[in-house]
Parts: sequence; C-alpha cells; structure tokens
Amino acid sequence: DQQVKQNSPSLSVQEGRISILNCDYTNSMFDYFLWYKKYPAEGPTFLISISSIKDKNEDGRFTVFLNKSAKHLSLHIVPSQPGDSAVYFCAASEGPASGTYKYIFGTGTRLKVLA
Amino acid sequence: KAGVTQTPRYLIKTRGQQVTLSCSPISGHRSVSWYQQTPGQGLQFLFEYFSETQRNKGNFPGRFSGRQFSNSRSEMNVSTLELGDSALYLCASSPELGYGYTFGSGTRLTVV
Repeated sequence: DQQVKQNSPSLSVQEGRISILNCDYTNSMFDYFLWYKKYPAEGPTFLISISSIKDKNEDGRFTVFLNKSAKHLSLHIVPSQPGDSAVYFCAASEGPASGTYKYIFGTGTRLKVLA
Repeated sequence: KAGVTQTPRYLIKTRGQQVTLSCSPISGHRSVSWYQQTPGQGLQFLFEYFSETQRNKGNFPGRFSGRQFSNSRSEMNVSTLELGDSALYLCASSPELGYGYTFGSGTRLTVV
C-alpha cells in the first residue's frame, strides 16, 4: 500500500511556464515532507522541505504547498528551465513527534521542460 | 567537501549469491540510510543507522541487513540474491537523524 503517491509519472512543460508536481499521502501522522530531484546516474538531491505547521515554503523558483486536510502537497517551479528536467520525488515522515525518521518516498514524476 | 561515496558503482551477481555494498558518508555525518530504487516501486526505505545502531527499518525481508562502523561508514548485505533484488541501491548520510540527507550516486545491482 503506497502511503505516498505521485499519480503523474511524467509531465511536460514549456520553458518559462509553471511546473506543478503533485503528491498525495494517506498517513495523517506524516508531519514533515521533502522534495528531491534526481538526474540520471546521480543520487537524489534535496530541493525543499515543509513541516506540517506551515502551508507554504518558498526557495527561489521553488515553492511547496501543503494542504493537510486534503493530505496533498505540491511543488511549483516558476519559471521552469530546461535544467529542471529530472525525476522529482516527494517524501514524507512522521518526524520527531513519533520518534521515527523513516521517510516514505513516492514513485516519482519525470519532468521534461521543453525549450 | 567530499560527498557520499558508494562502492562499487555497478555489480552483477548470480541468483543465490550474496553481495555487500559499501557507503562512506560525508565527513561528520553520523546517520546513514539505505534505499532501494526500482522503476515500479520508486525509492523504498531499507534501514537507517546512527552511531552504529539501527534506528529505523523498512519492510524488507531478513536477507537484507546492514551495519555501521565506528567511523560512520556503512555496509549493506543481501544474501541469497533473487532476480527481484536487481535495483539501484542508494545510500544517504545526514548529520543527525531526520533531516539534511545527502544521497550518493548509488550502486546498480543486477542479479542474473
């Protein structure tokens, strides 16, 4: 049973436009969320995080939104650039409240930014 | 500053054999986690070690085991390999439990 779901396996966006990557989760105990970006033949690199006490976190072109009632988070990339083409993973954890830091990852969304 | 180093990068093994993968964390990082990545399942958590103790464990059979040494380097062992164990195995290190994970490039294991 996938506790973290990324229902879109792939997404294509024109350069300069907004990319929106979505992630849904089922465990209401999750309170810390991460987004990672992965290029082929490399390990994932950390992009941005958000804890459940916030509903938005921004870092440059990347913004993550969290809707706790809907158990949904999204990553917005504005403006999208060709170098953003990669696989994006969201991950969730119950975090310090439960004493566990086990991260559950989604299956990833492959973003292709078209020049 | 050196990143997370995983060796070997590629490995081909036969069913029934065992394999040991190695991970050297970033200097000063005390936590090492292991993940399995497959096309259908994405990234799945295997286990996490902190100060030589296993702190968290994923839902993998007992054939998957690991350990962490006093210098924080970690090894993962898979015994009695099955075809389904073919995957990219990623290691991540962090200074403390729960945040700041940096991943290595992974070891691609192929079981034939």
